[in-house]
Amino acid sequence: GAVVSQHPSRVICKSGTSVKIECRSLDFQATTMFWYRQFPKQSLMLMATSNEGSKATYEQGVEKDKFLINHASLTLSTLTVTSAHPEDSSFYICSASLPGQGATDTQYFGPGTRLTVL
Amino acid sequence: KQEVTQIPAALSVPEGENLVLNCSFTDSAIYNLQWFRQDPGKGLTSLLLIQSSQREQTSGRLNASLDKSSGRSTLYIAASQPGDSATYLCAGNYDKVIFGPGTSLSVIP
Repeated sequence: GAVVSQHPSRVICKSGTSVKIECRSLDFQATTMFWYRQFPKQSLMLMATSNEGSKATYEQGVEKDKFLINHASLTLSTLTVTSAHPEDSSFYICSASLPGQGATDTQYFGPGTRLTVL
Repeated sequence: KQEVTQIPAALSVPEGENLVLNCSFTDSAIYNLQWFRQDPGKGLTSLLLIQSSQREQTSGRLNASLDKSSGRSTLYIAASQPGDSATYLCAGNYDKVIFGPGTSLSVIP
């Protein structure tokens, strides 16, 4: 089956630093990848939709200058949290959908990255 | 507004019981609906995917149903086991995926 990986699985950083999270589709090419955020005891919320070779589409309320998304290849999307603050501490999960299927078919989810900003 | 809700928020059952988790969605124009399992601090594991044209899907002890007209889906777990303890999320797939808040399940040995 389709496998999506994320790196790192956990990261702890100081306030004010930037953190990059990678999302890779290991055995398929994903033209569309999605980034979600989950605060403790809350459900997942979509942050942005990332299409290979174009700018990401951000959901309302998500700061695009703070959460930089780069989808440079069909197997890799990165999320960079710039100038991280404690309120950015969260669980970040990416997903990828198979080419030509956009958001209307199965998304394959990565294992998530837990970010803690001190 | 498209919303997905789940009840109950938490459920505790003794081992061996059959149980039903409920998911409701406000917009019936759904492409498909997925049920996921999430263990504490872990990512999502996809359990079942039901296309809008389907009524139910089965995998092992799990059975998920979909009723678009009433905006409801259920996840039935047969003969529950302690290893089933986790948070179960349903997600409606429209132009984007909308997740419910989850049901936290505890199966007591």
